[in-house]
Amino acid sequence: QSALTQPASVSGSPGQSITISCTGTSRDVGTYDLVSWYQQHPGKAPKVMIYQGNKRPSGASTRFSGSKSGNTASLTISGLQAEDEADYYCCSYAGRNTYVFGSGTKVTVL
Amino acid sequence: EEQLVQSGAEVKKPGESLTISCKGSGYSFTSYWINWVRQMPGKGLEWMGRINPSDSYTNYNPSFQGHVTISVDKSTGTAHLQWSSLKASDTAMYYCAREASGDYRFDPWGQGTLVTVSS
Repeated sequence: QSALTQPASVSGSPGQSITISCTGTSRDVGTYDLVSWYQQHPGKAPKVMIYQGNKRPSGASTRFSGSKSGNTASLTISGLQAEDEADYYCCSYAGRNTYVFGSGTKVTVL
Repeated sequence: EEQLVQSGAEVKKPGESLTISCKGSGYSFTSYWINWVRQMPGKGLEWMGRINPSDSYTNYNPSFQGHVTISVDKSTGTAHLQWSSLKASDTAMYYCAREASGDYRFDPWGQGTLVTVSS
């Protein structure tokens, strides 16, 4: 069960849009539309931003959206704000009642 | 408020045993799975396993099976993560997180328990 592959870092200026990719295999991301995305600020617990591919929890910012193509899921942050600077992790259901996380992406707001 | 509150930081020696806990409040404890997630220093998140508090059914990541045990005490609304023989490589932050059946998301998360294993 290998970690899903994410870029180590992504950056953007305030107001811009950025996209974080999350590449898995046909055993996880490619088969299940069950990818969730988590935001983690330094020293804090993760917080869910997107689940089941493209659903937002109540109270989550509408600037966050999710999508998928083949074995790759993506998280897009629109209208980038300073508070979006954090680490982001994808997580996919991997069958047989197991989950696998991505390697994590550090988002920097320039 | 629906929340998970974890036990405090631990410092242990290699070979010692340890149990950390995660207490749910503000919701029906037996209606949601409890997952455990490891984060080694400066590293990413790793899913360790989960337990269904209603019947104590567990699923484990093969990478962790046999080295940790996940259990639950329904009477106190608390889930536990247990080691019988710690290694230095177990040094990490451990988070518990709630999951509704069929929801496929972890929400909310506990505040984390830092475990340090050093001789």
